[in-house]
Amino acid sequence: GENVGLHLPTLSVQEGDNSIINCAYSNSASDYFIWYKQESGKGPQFIIDIRSNMDKRQGQRVTVLLNKTVKHLSLQIAATQPGDSAVYFCADTTSGTYKYIFGTGTRLKVLA
Amino acid sequence: AAGVIQSPRHLIKEKRETATLKCYPIPRHDTVYWYQQGPGQDPQFLISFYEKMQSDKGSIPDRFSAQQFSDYHSELNMSSLELGDSALYFCASSQRGIAENTIYFGEGSWLTVV
Repeated sequence: GENVGLHLPTLSVQEGDNSIINCAYSNSASDYFIWYKQESGKGPQFIIDIRSNMDKRQGQRVTVLLNKTVKHLSLQIAATQPGDSAVYFCADTTSGTYKYIFGTGTRLKVLA
Repeated sequence: AAGVIQSPRHLIKEKRETATLKCYPIPRHDTVYWYQQGPGQDPQFLISFYEKMQSDKGSIPDRFSAQQFSDYHSELNMSSLELGDSALYFCASSQRGIAENTIYFGEGSWLTVV
């Protein structure tokens, strides 16, 4: 990922609203994608994943959309809650490799 | 459920010293990954091991080395430490052969170089 120093992109949403977090990836060969949530001082926590043969996958309150044409991923969080406040990262990998590349994180702030 | 265990959780070292971080993957996971995350930065991939063999290499400095042992735990050795090595070091593990190959992260080891 790119070095963004201490200035992560920030998304502020009202509690109860829907959140959309975006991510761009650069490797057109990537075929598996994961969204992670990271709280301060903790390890990235798996949220949802998607393979390149899909363009949408839904979980509990979360949906991931994949647009391979423009190499773009989005994470939609429904009815955002205070506990959703964290930094969100996307990561991608290519089958046959053993590394995941993280995109630039987005800090989600949920306003009461 | 068992998670990835990392030790130590916090480590303070002086410049030019050596540090070793340990990682115990989730049971039955055969692949281990190491990442470095500076303050406010994205996790940067360092190196990975599959079945005790190095598989992929990222931006790991030559001063760092790592290995995976017969019980699948891994150690990251860092020598000639520099101030810029201060970061949160994550280990993650996965199980090959599973379709999704999702990687799960530990809570990280905080390294502070003074």
